[in-house]
Amino acid sequence: NAGVTQTPKFQVLKTGQSMTLQCAQDMNHEYMSWYRQDPGMGLRLIHYSVGAGITDQGEVPNGYNVSRSTTEDFPLRLLSAAPSQTSVYFCASSEGTSRSFETQYFGPGTRLLVL
Amino acid sequence: LAKTTQPISMDSYEGQEVNITCSHNNIATNDYITWYQQFPSQGPRFIIQGYKTKVTNEVASLFIPADRKSSTLSLPRVSLSDTAVYYCLVEDTGFQKLVFGTGTRLLVSP
Repeated sequence: NAGVTQTPKFQVLKTGQSMTLQCAQDMNHEYMSWYRQDPGMGLRLIHYSVGAGITDQGEVPNGYNVSRSTTEDFPLRLLSAAPSQTSVYFCASSEGTSRSFETQYFGPGTRLLVL
Repeated sequence: LAKTTQPISMDSYEGQEVNITCSHNNIATNDYITWYQQFPSQGPRFIIQGYKTKVTNEVASLFIPADRKSSTLSLPRVSLSDTAVYYCLVEDTGFQKLVFGTGTRLLVSP
């Protein structure tokens, strides 16, 4: 199994541009989520999904959209990038729901720079 | 939301035992406590999880007192490769999402 994969690994955007961060998992996990991590800070939850067709907001959802059309994929969209969205983005998945006894598997991250 | 509080940083030397304590005063009855480890430029990795008393695996031990308002991650005989950020999590059952704190940055020196 490849686990959780994220593309691209690194991206530079100009303010106002749009892009989609891809996340895929091959473990048939129901729960997937997106986090952002700013320098010297912990992870903050952006959006999450408890299954295909179901998404909900986390702590910092503004400026981001998500959809979950399949169990495997959970893309994160930036409609109009802003410098404040410069960060490292991590996707995670777990079997079942986000019950705390479910181990979260994290991807390698996408480093985004918005100029 | 269930929040956690940890020391921002800790320093240790190779071979020493390191104990990192996490406070979670609002933990709910059904919540488990989970610890993750994160190396630079990598995603977090699961270390250990527990509900009460003590849990031990090949990497660490987790001590949870009866009131469950805190927990202590114990790393025996740390090495340089244990230098990382350690996060304590409790589940927010009302919102079905995990809340990461700022974590504890552990620096192990020779």
